[in-house]
Amino acid sequence: EPEVTQTPSHQVTQMGQEVILRCVPISNHLYFYWYRQILGQKVEFLVSFYNNEISEKSEIFDDQFSVERPDGSNFTLKIRSTKLEDSAMYFCASSEGGQGGNTIYFGEGSWLTVV
Amino acid sequence: AQSVTQLDSQVPVFEEAPVELRCNYSSSVSVYLFWYVQYPNQGLQLLLKYLSGSTLVKGINGFEAEFNKSQTSFHLRKPSVHISDTAEYFCAVSKVRAAGNKLTFGGGTRVLVKP
Repeated sequence: EPEVTQTPSHQVTQMGQEVILRCVPISNHLYFYWYRQILGQKVEFLVSFYNNEISEKSEIFDDQFSVERPDGSNFTLKIRSTKLEDSAMYFCASSEGGQGGNTIYFGEGSWLTVV
Repeated sequence: AQSVTQLDSQVPVFEEAPVELRCNYSSSVSVYLFWYVQYPNQGLQLLLKYLSGSTLVKGINGFEAEFNKSQTSFHLRKPSVHISDTAEYFCAVSKVRAAGNKLTFGGGTRVLVKP
């Protein structure tokens, strides 16, 4: 069964460093997402991406964050200057369609620890 | 805005016993409803979803959920659990609208199945 894959599974970084989390969405999907889950809190939407541009973003997704589809298969989340509060599990996801109700498929997550 | 409340953060249950996980939502617009499961060290996997039609929805692994519009609930049930059902379960909603597919999650319910 096709799946969303994410790398790295775990990354430890110093505060202030840049981090890039990578994802390979399911190949025929057109809509891509990043969610995050801070330990003990809810899974939160960060951003959705379609046709090489952001279609929606949350208040969390400030200027420190950016997303990119650098080639035909990868989808990345960059955090420019990490803060302690960015420590979380980051989930990449994709869906075939962009309307509500379309199943969103999630990767296994990248656990980011900022020290 | 939408919000999702999962009333139980943890549910211990004995193998072969039934389990019910409660989910209530709040929204000013119509929503679609989802249950996702996260097994240890894995990503979020869709168990089932309600889009329209019959309010009783059957999903994978013997789970089912019932949509109750008047009570704004979408409780998940399984008549007989297995050890392998030990996981965290997330209820989520997305708005019924022409564009945009963003999930709002509840806090999750950890199910621990005991032998």
